[in-house]
Amino acid sequence: QVQLVQSGTEVKKPGASVKVSCKASGYAFTDYHIQWVRQAPGQGLEWMAWINCNSGDANYLQTFQGRVTVTRDKSINTVYVELSSLRSDDTAVYYCARGSLGGPKREDYFDSWGQGTLVTVSS
Amino acid sequence: DIQMTQSPSSLSASVGDRVTITCRASQGIGNDLGWFQQQPGKAPKRLIYAASRLQSGVPSRFSGSGSGTDFTLTISSLQPEDFATYYCLQHLTSPWTFGQGTKVEIK
Repeated sequence: QVQLVQSGTEVKKPGASVKVSCKASGYAFTDYHIQWVRQAPGQGLEWMAWINCNSGDANYLQTFQGRVTVTRDKSINTVYVELSSLRSDDTAVYYCARGSLGGPKREDYFDSWGQGTLVTVSS
Repeated sequence: DIQMTQSPSSLSASVGDRVTITCRASQGIGNDLGWFQQQPGKAPKRLIYAASRLQSGVPSRFSGSGSGTDFTLTISSLQPEDFATYYCLQHLTSPWTFGQGTKVEIK
């Protein structure tokens, strides 16, 4: 079955970087995008980025101002999101989700999610 | 950026009630909209895609309507498992943007 498994909880100091992984299984990895969505404690959802797992092309929320990079390793069906220059307001649960290359108006978009990774930024 | 305004931000309802949540886009987005449900401590789950299409496996008491700037999520008969927070998401243009959420609580 389709599964996205994310890496574990991270605790980082302000100014550091964090890299969260999302390992996909149960489907053709390069036929899909992976989205990243985050949620600060007690807050709503924020779309961050997506990557085309075939081409490696990525699209980012501009407010991150170059602090976020999404990459993929096709050899191990894994996508990474790296966030640098961490601030306290980056404390959040980070989720990955699958999306068909056909776009979000297809049923097989946002149909499978990772379990979430808590990133805490604290001095 | 396209702003998505959801209303209400919270509501109290009883099992069996009909519940309506609305989402308004700051500019027309056609039908490039989805609705998500999130239970506490869980990943979101998409209920509706392309504004009005029911995701596979989602109960038929959920329905979506609208196009352009005004959208509605309706739960025809609220069930105990439906108490959650609901979000809309526009994906017409980047950056994709979520509404601020509507928390549905037990009355």
